[in-house]
Amino acid sequence: NAGVTQTPKFQVLKTGQSMTLQCAQDMNHEYMSWYRQDPGMGLRLIHYSVGAGITDQGEVPNGYNVSRSTTEDFPLRLLSAAPSQTSVYFCASSGQYNSPLHFGNGTRLTVT
Amino acid sequence: GESVGLHLPTLSVQEGDNSIINCAYSNSASDYFIWYKQESGKGPQFIIDIRSNMDKRQGQRVTVLLNKTVKHLSLQIAATQPGDSAVYFCAENRAVAQGGSEKLVFGKGTKLTVNP
Repeated sequence: NAGVTQTPKFQVLKTGQSMTLQCAQDMNHEYMSWYRQDPGMGLRLIHYSVGAGITDQGEVPNGYNVSRSTTEDFPLRLLSAAPSQTSVYFCASSGQYNSPLHFGNGTRLTVT
Repeated sequence: GESVGLHLPTLSVQEGDNSIINCAYSNSASDYFIWYKQESGKGPQFIIDIRSNMDKRQGQRVTVLLNKTVKHLSLQIAATQPGDSAVYFCAENRAVAQGGSEKLVFGKGTKLTVNP
């Protein structure tokens, strides 16, 4: 199993540009999440999904959209990038209740 | 608002010593707790977890202690090695019953440095 795969690893955007961060998992996990990590802030939940077709907002959802058309994929979209979205983004998935989240290796995004 | 926090942002130990990393949580409804290790440039890596019906759980060289009375969680690493140098995060699960761990709330992390 590859686990949780995120692409790209690095991305530089100009303010106002859009892009999609890709996330795929091959563990047949129902639950998937996106977090952002900023210095001194820990990891903060952006959006999450409890299964295909179901998504919901986390702690910091503004400026981001998600969709979950399949169990495997959970892309994160930035419609109009802002410098405040410069961060490291982590996708994660988990199986049954009270089992740990498995994380990808992150996408480092810089918005200029 | 409620948050998961750590008492110390940095911890420096000598190789071979035992390390203790502490965490305070504030949501008494949380029933599942996880410790993660994050090395530079990588995603958080699962170390050990504990459910709220337990007060201690042991793994290989690691032990997690849960004190629900004072809402405190700790990670003990025995015979700390240079490879243990990383940032350690505690996380609590605030997902509704029957959900997964999609709504973990993380503390801000403790940086552990192991000196040779």
